[in-house]
Amino acid sequence: NAGVMQNPRHLVRRRGQEARLRCSPMKGHSHVYWYRQLPEEGLKFMVYLQKENIIDESGMPKERFSAEFPKEGPSILRIQQVVRGDSAAYFCASSPPAGRVANEQFFGPGTRLTVL
Amino acid sequence: DAKTTQPPSMDCAEGRAANLPCNHSTISGNEYVYWYRQIHSQGPQYIIHGLKNNETNEMASLIITEDRKSSTLILPHATLRDTAVYYCIVRVYDSGNTGKLIFGQGTTLQVKP
Repeated sequence: NAGVMQNPRHLVRRRGQEARLRCSPMKGHSHVYWYRQLPEEGLKFMVYLQKENIIDESGMPKERFSAEFPKEGPSILRIQQVVRGDSAAYFCASSPPAGRVANEQFFGPGTRLTVL
Repeated sequence: DAKTTQPPSMDCAEGRAANLPCNHSTISGNEYVYWYRQIHSQGPQYIIHGLKNNETNEMASLIITEDRKSSTLILPHATLRDTAVYYCIVRVYDSGNTGKLIFGQGTTLQVKP
């Protein structure tokens, strides 16, 4: 059973370009979470999605950032008009459907975004 | 979700037990204690979780005090590959909870030869 997959692993963008980060959850997992880790800082929650629904986006910046988890295909975190402050590691995690007690989240290897 | 307090760093000799403490004095009755770790540049890795009973798995043991205000993660025989940042997180889980994890600064464990 493959783990959480993220691609690309490294992404370089110039200021003003768009960045698209993809996350494929573990098989059977219907919940996806995105976290951001700025250099030398801890992980910060961004958004929680289930298939075709955003459940909690309380950690998402109000502008330029969006996320989706379509019925088919991976979850996408999209950053428009990137700025240097967006340079960070972006981690995706997935978990099984609700119903299990205290279910854990499984993390992917992350995408390292560098904005020039 | 309750706040946790961890020492910023700890050292441990290879082959010895590593005991990582965590204070969560404001924990509520329905909040679980989770431990994750992050080895340099990798995604966080789930270690163990518990509610009020002590727990053990193939990676570690979790000891929760009777009043649940603190806990200790024990790595019984630390190896160099256990060098990582260890995060103690407390959160509610129920069917209506969003499940997000709130990471603090964690404890940087350095295992030395």
